Amino acid sequence: AQRVTQPEKLLSVFKGAPVELKCNYSYSGSPELFWYVQYSRQRLQLLLRHISRESIKGFTADLNKGETSFHLKKPFAQEEDSAMYYCALSFDRGSTLGRLYFGRGTQLTVWP
Amino acid sequence: DAGVIQSPRHEVTEMGQEVTLRCKPISGHNSLFWYRQTMMRGLELLIYFNNNVPIDDSGMPEDRFSAKMPNASFSTLKIQPSEPRDSAVYFCASSLKRSSYEQYFGPGTRLTVT
Repeated sequence: AQRVTQPEKLLSVFKGAPVELKCNYSYSGSPELFWYVQYSRQRLQLLLRHISRESIKGFTADLNKGETSFHLKKPFAQEEDSAMYYCALSFDRGSTLGRLYFGRGTQLTVWP
Repeated sequence: DAGVIQSPRHEVTEMGQEVTLRCKPISGHNSLFWYRQTMMRGLELLIYFNNNVPIDDSGMPEDRFSAKMPNASFSTLKIQPSEPRDSAVYFCASSLKRSSYEQYFGPGTRLTVT
């Protein structure tokens, strides 16, 4: 079963516009949610995690347990934000500890 | 630290040939993950190890795929025989401890099977 859903494979916005990358998950307990990013020709890297409640490169993400969502937002997109973004989930249950479940990713393009 | 190291970075082979992908995790990390990335299916976990022991290999597509971790600093993913549908980017990632959810990814190996 798909635990993490990213409904948009592709997302395009203009520079300076707000951007929201959607992520929904299916898990009834208390998961850990993450956003990973892969810039062109670079390796996949952690962008932010919900437990830290931090803002990285202007991006924020709030865990909404009622809607089981963890959308990534930025009020003013920049061209350098163009990348592939993956939402990921982990949960503490026996042998799954440490494993990440990834969504299929959203390719964000920010036009000048 | 050079981070997670993978080799080769690119591999082109003919159908039926054996392919071996290599990974060196970050020193001190004790969990290692192999992923496959394709346009159709995104990022899929194939197998992961904790302290060199395979924990979950349910993502390995079929018996043609095998993975080993003979020691804490080296792992291999082998495909024998390879098929065109195995063409993908294969990533290795490592993390510091089993309860740490931050995984550090290697640059990937782009495999093309003709």
